[in-house]
This record gives sequence, C-alpha cells and structure tokens, in this order.
Amino acid sequence: QKEVEQNSGPLSVPEGAIASLNCTYSDRGSQSFFWYRQYSGKSPELIMSIYSNGDKEDGRFTAQLNKASQYVSLLIRDSQPSDSATYLCAVIGTGFQKLVFGTGTRLLVSP
Amino acid sequence: GAVVSQHPSRVICKSGTSVKIECRSLDFQATTMFWYRQFPKQSLMLMATSNEGSKATYEQGVEKDKFLINHASLTLSTLTVTSAHPEDSSFYICSARDVLAESTETQYFGPGTRLLVL
Repeated sequence: QKEVEQNSGPLSVPEGAIASLNCTYSDRGSQSFFWYRQYSGKSPELIMSIYSNGDKEDGRFTAQLNKASQYVSLLIRDSQPSDSATYLCAVIGTGFQKLVFGTGTRLLVSP
Repeated sequence: GAVVSQHPSRVICKSGTSVKIECRSLDFQATTMFWYRQFPKQSLMLMATSNEGSKATYEQGVEKDKFLINHASLTLSTLTVTSAHPEDSSFYICSARDVLAESTETQYFGPGTRLLVL
C-alpha cells in the first residue's frame, strides 16, 4: 500500500464547475497535510495546509480533512482553465519531518 | 515572503562531469532544506534532508558519495552530482522550511533545476 494515494486522473471539469480532488494516506498518526499545485515543467506551489479535522477555506479553495477515515480532499470552486495542473497531496507522517507526496491528480478545466 | 531560489535553472553536461546546484532561501533562514528529484510523469522523490552545520540524511537508495550535499549557512544548500551519467538526467528541486513561520512544517519549493547529461 502506498503511503499517500491519489487518482492520477485526468479529472476533467468544465469552466465554472467545482473540482474535487481526493487523497488517502496510510499513516494514522499523520498530523500535517498539504496540497501543492504543479504546472508542467515547474516546481510545486503550496496551495493549502490543513492540520485539524474539518474544512479550511482560502478563496476558491477548500481543504477537507477526516483523520478517522485517513482522507484529505481539495475542492476548487469556479474552476478556471488556469487551474489546469497536477495537484499533489503531501503528508508529514508520525515522527518525521519529511513530506511524502502522492503521485498527483491531473486536473483539466475546459473553457 | 518565503522565496526559494535555485541556480542554475537548466544545465547540460557531459557524462562523467560534476554539476553543482545551489538552493537559497532569499528572505528567511532555513535550518533544514530538502532535495527532491522528479522524473517525467512521476511524483517528487525525496533524496536527502540537509541540516545546517551537520551531515545530510539520505533516503534509502540514494548514494551519498554521488550526490554530495553541503548546507554551510542558514540560507544556502548545495547539491553536487558527481560523475554524472545520462540516468541522472532529471528535474532536481529543493525546498526549505521557515522555522520562524507560523507553520514551521510548511516547505517552500525552489523553481527547480533541469539537468541533462549527454
């Protein structure tokens, strides 16, 4: 079982729709969770971090964490073509300082 | 804030030569920096954790004698790929943690260095 799992996609949504990206993790003791966006040929860019169960909103982005289900998601409202990228879920596991990345979900937003 | 730079952004070298990549935190001090490698269509793989003033911690399978890491100051870490071979061609990305930030675990990434070994 991979430590951090994501559906590779592509996830295709029309412009203006809500994109929902999901991630599961195996280390039940994980406390820190991050979503990064990576455009092709570029390095990852931090979108959001979340540490507590529930929702955290920042502009069009909402991160959701459910530690009991070991599940973290990212919602993008009013999706724009410029949101088309690969979204990486990353987790810091128990006792470690290093990020473990999922393989990423490719999002395609069509005009 | 929290800007990380890398130099060079692209490098082409001949097989057998060494290449040094610099990673700098521009507006904060980073006691810990991380080096990642990303092959096409794959996710980031951590190579090593670099701590200022001490030896780097390498991930399993990463040759420490081939990938030399030096973290001599709180704003600079370097990765040297020694005796590079075509299979070392990849996208090398560093990240840094801002220990004085509200979220001390957040890593900020540099723009990456694309290495091509001929």
